[in-house]
Amino acid sequence: DAGITQSPRHKVTETGTPVTLRCHQTENHRYMYWYRQDPGHGLRLIHYSYGVKDTDKGEVSDGYSVSRSKTEDFLLTLESATSSQTSVYFCAISESVSPYEQYFGPGTRLTVT
Amino acid sequence: AQSVTQPDIHITVSEGASLELRCNYSYGATPYLFWYVQSPGQGLQLLLKYFSGDTLVQGIKGFEAEFKRSQSSFNLRKPSVHWSDAAEYFCAVSPTDKLIFGTGTRLQVFP
Repeated sequence: DAGITQSPRHKVTETGTPVTLRCHQTENHRYMYWYRQDPGHGLRLIHYSYGVKDTDKGEVSDGYSVSRSKTEDFLLTLESATSSQTSVYFCAISESVSPYEQYFGPGTRLTVT
Repeated sequence: AQSVTQPDIHITVSEGASLELRCNYSYGATPYLFWYVQSPGQGLQLLLKYFSGDTLVQGIKGFEAEFKRSQSSFNLRKPSVHWSDAAEYFCAVSPTDKLIFGTGTRLQVFP
């Protein structure tokens, strides 16, 4: 299995609070991705990174920001959490762009009350 | 816009029966195609991929998939399902530098 960890694995937070999720990889892969998974929607891309300090928006980026100061870490921040951001969040890594496959972390279940 | 359709939300099969999960994509050229599996509470694991060449690809856990350009399909098959195959299955396409996922098919296996 690819060396990808996510922290925390579970979190409950209140509406309006900031939340940061961390993805850490030991594979030295250049590309990193954040997805959210919701019933009936599959996985949707939030943000991705193609190198240190290089990030771009995905399909559902509103309300989220990211940072990547080191190759191994990719942080996802919800500046002011809302109930609509209750979801399971997955980080993925890829050695290069398409057609290389992505490898996924175990996920973080976030509940916003 | 590129899209992926998995028409079956939920499929139930008996252990030992054959399985086919459907996937259709919308894209002007031949994309790169993937099938992932997600066991409950887990992340996604790559089952197989198609980039080019032989249209029948073999994957892990005894799965295979066939790319049919004329039907814009990439259906996943297994000749004999095991109880441990119960999971959610996602088809994905990669027309550029991102993955586009279908909404998934949940497989339930009865003994």
